[in-house]
Amino acid sequence: GENVEQHPSTLSVQEGDSAVIKCTYSDSASNYFPWYKQELGKRPQLIIDIRSNVGEKKDQRIAVTLNKTAKHFSLHITETQPEDSAVYFCAASWVGLKTIFGAGTRLFVKA
Amino acid sequence: DTEVTQTPKHLVMGMTNKKSLKCEQHMGHRAMYWYKQKAKKPPELMFVYSYEKLSINESVPSRFSPECPNSSLLNLHLHALQPEDSALYLCASSQTPGQGITYEQYFGPGTRLTVT
Repeated sequence: GENVEQHPSTLSVQEGDSAVIKCTYSDSASNYFPWYKQELGKRPQLIIDIRSNVGEKKDQRIAVTLNKTAKHFSLHITETQPEDSAVYFCAASWVGLKTIFGAGTRLFVKA
Repeated sequence: DTEVTQTPKHLVMGMTNKKSLKCEQHMGHRAMYWYKQKAKKPPELMFVYSYEKLSINESVPSRFSPECPNSSLLNLHLHALQPEDSALYLCASSQTPGQGITYEQYFGPGTRLTVT
C-alpha cells in the first residue's frame, strides 16, 4: 500500500542552525506534498506545500524541494528559532484528498 | 472565517455507549475528512467526503459511522467502541480539485476521546 517514510525521527539543533527533514513516498500518483507543524496539544498546521510540477518552493526561512524521479522531498528550515520546536509531518497525497502522513520528526531548537 | 470547529473538546464514553462527534466549517469547502491520531503518531486518514458523498473509507471498522448532512457539517457516530479507539479525532476540510487551486487542508482542534 501507499507509504511515506520520514527521517530523522528526532532532530536537535542549536538556535540559528539549519534543520533538514527528508521524506520518501511510494505512490507515483501522488502529486501534492504538504508539510505540517504540530505543537503539543494543538492541531496540525500547514507550513509549506509543493505540487509535483514544481521542484522547489521557498517561504522566508522555510523551503521544500521535490525530486519526483527519486520520490524524495525535503524540508529545510534556516536560522532556526526556539519557537520552531515542534513535531513536523510530511505528507503525500493525490489532489489533496487521500493524504498519507510520515511518522513525524520531533525538532528541538536549543537556545 | 478560516476555522474548522469540533465539538466536544473531550469525550469519555463506555464501550456500550453511543455518541457523536461534530465538525463544522464555513469556508465553502466541499471536501471534509476524519482523521484519528494516537499519541506521538501521525494523523491517520479514516474517511473523506467530497460533495457530501463518501469517497474514501480507509477500511475503518463499522463501529465508526460517518455522516455528512450538508456541505458545512460532518459527524462521526460512535457505537460499541473499544479502549484502543481512544485517541484524538481530527476533522479537516479543503477545497476539492474542482473548486480551486489549493489543496490545503484546514484542521479542527480535535476531540480527545477516551473509551473506558
